[in-house]
Amino acid sequence: NAGVTQTPKFQVLKTGQSMTLQCAQDMNHNSMYWYRQDPGMGLRLIYYSASEGTTDKGEVPNGYNVSRLNKREFSLRLESAAPSQTSVYFCASSEVGYLQETQYFGPGTRLLVL
Amino acid sequence: AQKITQTQPGMFVQEKEAVTLDCTYDTSDQSYGLFWYKQPSSGEMIFLIYQGSYDEQNATEGRYSLNFQKARKSANLVISASQLGDSAMYFCLLSNFGNEKLTFGTGTRLTIIP
Repeated sequence: NAGVTQTPKFQVLKTGQSMTLQCAQDMNHNSMYWYRQDPGMGLRLIYYSASEGTTDKGEVPNGYNVSRLNKREFSLRLESAAPSQTSVYFCASSEVGYLQETQYFGPGTRLLVL
Repeated sequence: AQKITQTQPGMFVQEKEAVTLDCTYDTSDQSYGLFWYKQPSSGEMIFLIYQGSYDEQNATEGRYSLNFQKARKSANLVISASQLGDSAMYFCLLSNFGNEKLTFGTGTRLTIIP
């Protein structure tokens, strides 16, 4: 039981390049989330998926797209990376809705955009 | 709008002492939840404790307890008998059931001194 896994662990991009961050969970959770963590700002929700087939914007969705591929997988895509997207990205999942449920986090992806 | 404030950017505490990490919040909703997460230097986010706004008793989980003062809108985390392994960043999270928003605090870096 690996919990929540994220790939890659670290990535360097040039401005304008695109990439997809992958996330998978093996806990049969319905809800999944993407956060970014910047120094001094805590975590901010980018997108979430309350259940398979649905996605919704969080606090900072601009510049990102997501895909809930199936119940297990939730990917985050940067179509044209910008230096402001340099951050640590966390994927999380929870059993049902996110409001009252404990979220389980992946190890994070460190992204540097030059 | 909702807001969550952690006023202590850093704390140093002697091993085996108790420590209180402050968290104050602002929301106009009556239904909400408060979470505390720990982030060690390895980067993962670990759930510690949860308190619902309608819970009458303060939440406890082992050495962790939540000092919930609803009228003052504070949800301080208390760690009893601190250990070296408690050194980490600690984040408070407000989950607002009304507008379905999640807001993380900026965190407190706790360092336990041997």
